[in-house]
Formats: sequence, structure tokens, C-alpha cells
Amino acid sequence: SQQGEEDPQALSIQEGENATMNCSYKTSINNLQWYRQNSGRGLVHLILIRSNEREKHSGRLRVTLDTSKKSSSLLITASRAADTASYFCATNNAGNMLTFGGGTRLMVKP
Amino acid sequence: KAGVTQTPRYLIKTRGQQVTLSCSPISGHRSVSWYQQTPGQGLQFLFEYFSETQRNKGNFPGRFSGRQFSNSRSEMNVSTLELGDSALYLCASSLDRLRRGNTEAFFGQGTRLTVV
Repeated sequence: SQQGEEDPQALSIQEGENATMNCSYKTSINNLQWYRQNSGRGLVHLILIRSNEREKHSGRLRVTLDTSKKSSSLLITASRAADTASYFCATNNAGNMLTFGGGTRLMVKP
Repeated sequence: KAGVTQTPRYLIKTRGQQVTLSCSPISGHRSVSWYQQTPGQGLQFLFEYFSETQRNKGNFPGRFSGRQFSNSRSEMNVSTLELGDSALYLCASSLDRLRRGNTEAFFGQGTRLTVV
């Protein structure tokens, strides 16, 4: 079963705009991770944020975590056509087992 | 550094058959996890192995099994295949040097299994 929900399920923006995706989860976590997937291929790890962290940056990516609300957001700034993909959040609360959300399909139009 | 390698990439099997999928983790990684991805159920955790021992298990029937070898390579087996087992099977490896979990996972390209 999935840990939570991602919002929105689909997002279409123009190149250069920012994209924000949200993730909610249900149980306590060790960390929360964001992944990108292109066309049913393997998942690419983007960023990991631990339960005691509130914000993390990596290049054009910014992730926030609010454990009191059990939610996270991923912001992609200055989006590019190459950012077109599905984005998944995944929570970890035991070993390295990940529980994934349903994903957000992002389309960036040139 | 080589990434996670999964073989084969594509597989077609008949209902009732069994199948074995292979995963070679990143060198030095000791944790290997398996996931099933379908359009209907999304990404679901199957099991995690660490140092040849199953550490976590998802909610799948006993037809799904796995193992890990001393070199950390892992295999998963599905017996008595059903049409609903058609999916992308993904393997992920994690370094987990301190054996505590809570580390990032690196995924292979997956094995696309089609059951006919």
C-alpha cells in the first residue's frame, strides 16, 4: 500500500517557470526521498531529507519537510524541457525500505 | 563507478511458469531492495536484503521470493506466474555502512516482465 498522496497528479508548465510538487504521508519517518522517472525506466535519486531537517537544496531543487504536518514539497526552479518526467516521493521508516507516493507527471513545454 | 545492473531487461513468460530476475548492486553496497511497478498499484516494496538476510518484507504472496549472495548480488523469483504479475521490477542498492538503514537508494533500469 502507498504511504501517501502526491499533489498534483499532473502538472504542465512552460520552460523557465517553477514547478512545485507536494507529498503527504501517514506514519513517522527516518527520511523522505524524491526520485525522477523517465518513461517507465529506472528511478533517479534526486535528494534525501532526514526527519530532523527542514529544508535542503541541490542545484535547482529545493525540498522542504514538515514532520508536524507529515508533508514535503519539491520545488524545481527555472524548469527545462529535460525536466519532463514523473516525480515520486518515498518515505523510509525501516531499514532501507521505501514507501512511494503515486507520483506527479510533470510536462515542461519548450 | 558502475550503477545497479539488472538482467534481463525484458522478459516474456507464460502463465504458470516461473521466472528469476537478477540484480548486481553498486560495488560496496550491501543492501538490496526490490520493487514492483504497475500502472494500477504504482511502486510497491517487495523485500530488502542486507548481508544475505531478508531484513524487510512487503505484502506480497509467497510466490515472490528472493535471496542475496555473499557478493551482495541478489535474485528474485516468481513462481506460478499470473497475468497480474506483468510489471516493471526494479532493484535498488544502498550503501548502509552502519547497518542502520536510513540511506539513499540507487535504482537499476528495471526488468520489464510480461506474462501472457
